[in-house]
Amino acid sequence: QVQLQESGPGLVEPSGTLSLTCTVSGGSIINYFWSWFRQPPGKGLEWIGYIYYSGTTNYNPSLKSRVTISVDTSRNQFSLKLSSVTAADSAVYYCAKLGGTSRFDPWGQGTLVTVSS
Amino acid sequence: QSALTQPPSASGSPGQSVTISCTGTSSDVGTYNFVSWYQQHPGKAPKLMIYDVSKRPSGVPDRFSGSKSGNTASLTVSGLQAEDEADYYCSSYGGSDNYVVFGGGTKLTVL
Repeated sequence: QVQLQESGPGLVEPSGTLSLTCTVSGGSIINYFWSWFRQPPGKGLEWIGYIYYSGTTNYNPSLKSRVTISVDTSRNQFSLKLSSVTAADSAVYYCAKLGGTSRFDPWGQGTLVTVSS
Repeated sequence: QSALTQPPSASGSPGQSVTISCTGTSSDVGTYNFVSWYQQHPGKAPKLMIYDVSKRPSGVPDRFSGSKSGNTASLTVSGLQAEDEADYYCSSYGGSDNYVVFGGGTKLTVL
């Protein structure tokens, strides 16, 4: 069965760029959509964006100016870059597979990213 | 797009049924049958419980059911069990810009 694992720095400096990678195992990244989410400590879930294996993307309008999601089919990975980060971007970041139009499943375990100097 | 509206809390005793509402707009919940529900225990990743309004993934107990009327979707948990105590989030697809929006979450307490 498909499993996802987020990886990347747990600490990012203010005004810097947050970079995370999601590695997909147990299945191919081909023919599916893949998504990023985040959850600030003690708060709710926020959709960041998704990417099709071919590279087509769609982003949350509130983050669109700062977000880039890319895919590397040769490595079965997709990545997130969020620029000009502030403390408000501190959160647990999750990746997930999108099956159909409303089926985000499975999810990675999540990775905590703190924005601080 | 605006976030979907969920009650912050809900509760019930073991064996009872509880329904959690999720109100959107005619741009998302009201038009598209693409509502899903996620269960999240503390410190854990969200788990898909319901998708496409009322479909259950393999392995999810049939005590969990979903429905929709107008701009409001609902998750019903029947025969409450202690392990159902968790946060529940609804989400919907919004077609005009292909966006995804979440509710603020409902903390379900099993008394």
